[in-house]
Amino acid sequence: ETGVTQTPRHLVMGMTNKKSLKCEQHLGHNAMYWYKQSAKKPLELMFVYNFKEQTENNSVPSRFSPECPNSSHLFLHLHTLQPEDSALYLCASSQDPLAGANYGYTFGSGTRLTVV
Amino acid sequence: GQQLNQSPQSMFIQEGEDVSMNCTSSSIFNTWLWYKQDPGEGPVLLIALYKAGELTSNGRLTAQFGITRKDSFLNISASIPSDVGIYFCAGPLTGGFKTIFGAGTRLFVKA
Repeated sequence: ETGVTQTPRHLVMGMTNKKSLKCEQHLGHNAMYWYKQSAKKPLELMFVYNFKEQTENNSVPSRFSPECPNSSHLFLHLHTLQPEDSALYLCASSQDPLAGANYGYTFGSGTRLTVV
Repeated sequence: GQQLNQSPQSMFIQEGEDVSMNCTSSSIFNTWLWYKQDPGEGPVLLIALYKAGELTSNGRLTAQFGITRKDSFLNISASIPSDVGIYFCAGPLTGGFKTIFGAGTRLFVKA
């Protein structure tokens, strides 16, 4: 039990599909993050939300659309993706961004996305 | 920009062997974090280091904060099959609110 739950674990979607990834945490954390993990590359930060407000968009293409309705839930809406978007998408949380960077994040198990 | 270089990229070892890996940067860090990612899971924090020269252990794992503050080391003693995974170093970027990760060291342990 990691404390951060991601669904689905695996997703295969066509380039014209629309799908959503879901992340949920009940750790009482105020900051939530989306990371992209591609093979043999460092984790890439995509978005940061702190107290439901987006504080970071790391030049992510608009085909990725995040949503944070409250501090416990985070979504990543996907549409018209490309095959190169296939990767493991990780959600993480921390008490706040400063705590996360200095004391560590709690990560979910990730969603393995394949775009065909 | 700031970058973390991890070596080796991969290690293939026999069960019972000791393991050493490192993480280097051209920039100074005030915090070093080491995470492990099991196959099919997200990274989990193993050890955090906050002071140059600091040596911290977590079971069979020992990590060190380099004296120059530009490197950190992780050692695993008497490896076991469940040590298999990817080990990431990480540290806060200038400003302290965001994290940079290394590309990871992939450890394979043969029973």
